[in-house]
Parts: sequence; structure tokens; C-alpha cells
Amino acid sequence: DAGVTQSPTHLIKTRGQQVTLRCSPISGHKSVSWYQQVLGQGPQFIFQYYEKEERGRGNFPDRFSARQFPNYSSELNVNALLLGDSALYLCASSWRLAGGKNTGELFFGEGSRLTVL
Amino acid sequence: AQKVTQAQTEISVVEKEDVTLDCVYETRDTTYYLFWYKQPPSGELVFLIRRNSFDEQNEISGRYSWNFQKSTSSFNFTITASQVVDSAVYFCALSELAPDSWGKLQFGAGTQVVVTP
Repeated sequence: DAGVTQSPTHLIKTRGQQVTLRCSPISGHKSVSWYQQVLGQGPQFIFQYYEKEERGRGNFPDRFSARQFPNYSSELNVNALLLGDSALYLCASSWRLAGGKNTGELFFGEGSRLTVL
Repeated sequence: AQKVTQAQTEISVVEKEDVTLDCVYETRDTTYYLFWYKQPPSGELVFLIRRNSFDEQNEISGRYSWNFQKSTSSFNFTITASQVVDSAVYFCALSELAPDSWGKLQFGAGTQVVVTP
């Protein structure tokens, strides 16, 4: 089975531009989370979506937005890019057991590396 | 607020030596999950182990073992008989069990492990 896939893998933008990153979860997974990983640091939580609804948001400005589609794929959008937005953006998917029990494991893609010049 | 601290930034060992990675966490929750993830140069975070806060039994899985001490809020991870392929950044992470926290992991800053032949 295919793992979490993300596109594009690398991209370069200039300050003020907008970027859209895409993520396809593992088949059967209904939840997608987005993380930002700045070089040399651990990933930071941005968003979590489940069944097309936003279920959690980290401490990121409104320039960051996301959505989940009926097929459970997801897009992360970042507007008005700043130099500090340069990072590896990771998407993770997970599944929910009956009754909403949180198993906790997230399955990550290889990320989209964004460079803002 | 949650916090995960990995005090070791880098550990270098010679192949076949054991490697122990330290992790200290803070949380106000009484129930939570703890994880270890591995991040090779490809960027993908690979799930290694998960431990529930209400189960302090320490286990061994292949060359991996972990020591969970709730009294000291520590969750240390050991790789026995290290191999060159173990070279990667290792992240400790914490997740609450509450439904609205599902998909959110609080990561430490990571420990770079370098295994030389």
C-alpha cells in the first residue's frame, strides 16, 4: 500500500508569494495533520483535519490555511510568504478506531521543502 | 502546556555500541502517549514506538528498548548494537489522549545519532 504522498517535494518562492502544498493520506485514513519543521528543530503542529473539518490548529498566523477534500486528501496554503516560512512541511495521516479511541500513531510523508528567497 | 526536552543534540558512536537517547517531558494531563520517531536524511518521520502513560512496563523490540519512568517524567530510548543504518535524527514526542488533541504531537528538538563503521 502507498504511504503518505506529498507534492511538490521541493519548491522555491519569493517573499510575498503564495504557496499550495498537497497531501494524499494512506488509503483508509481519514485524518490529516500538517507540521512545519524548521532546519535543526522538531516539527511544529499547524493543523489537523478529520472528516473534512478542522479539529485543531497550532500557533500559526492566519496566513496559514488548509482544507480537506471528500477523498481525504488535503492542501496547505500559505499566503504572503516570509523568509521565516522556509521549512520542511510534513503531512501525516492517521486513523480512528470505533468509538473515537486515539491510537496516537501518525504516519508521515517525506515532506515538501519550501525555500523563500 | 506540554513540553518535550531532548538535551542531547548529537551522539556519535562506533558501530555495535549501544546508544541511549534521553527524553524528559512536561504535561498537566494524567493520560497521554509518548512516542519515538526516527528521521533519516530523506525527511520522512518513521514511527518507532508508542507508550501509554498508564502502562510503565518497559519493553524490548528487536534492537530497540525503552525506559519509561512516570515519576521522573522521562522516556529514554536505547538502540542496542548500533548499525550505520541507525544514523538519523531521533525525536521524542508527546500526545494527549483527549479527542480534540488527536493528531497533535509535541516534539522535542531531536537528537542526531551518528554511527560510524
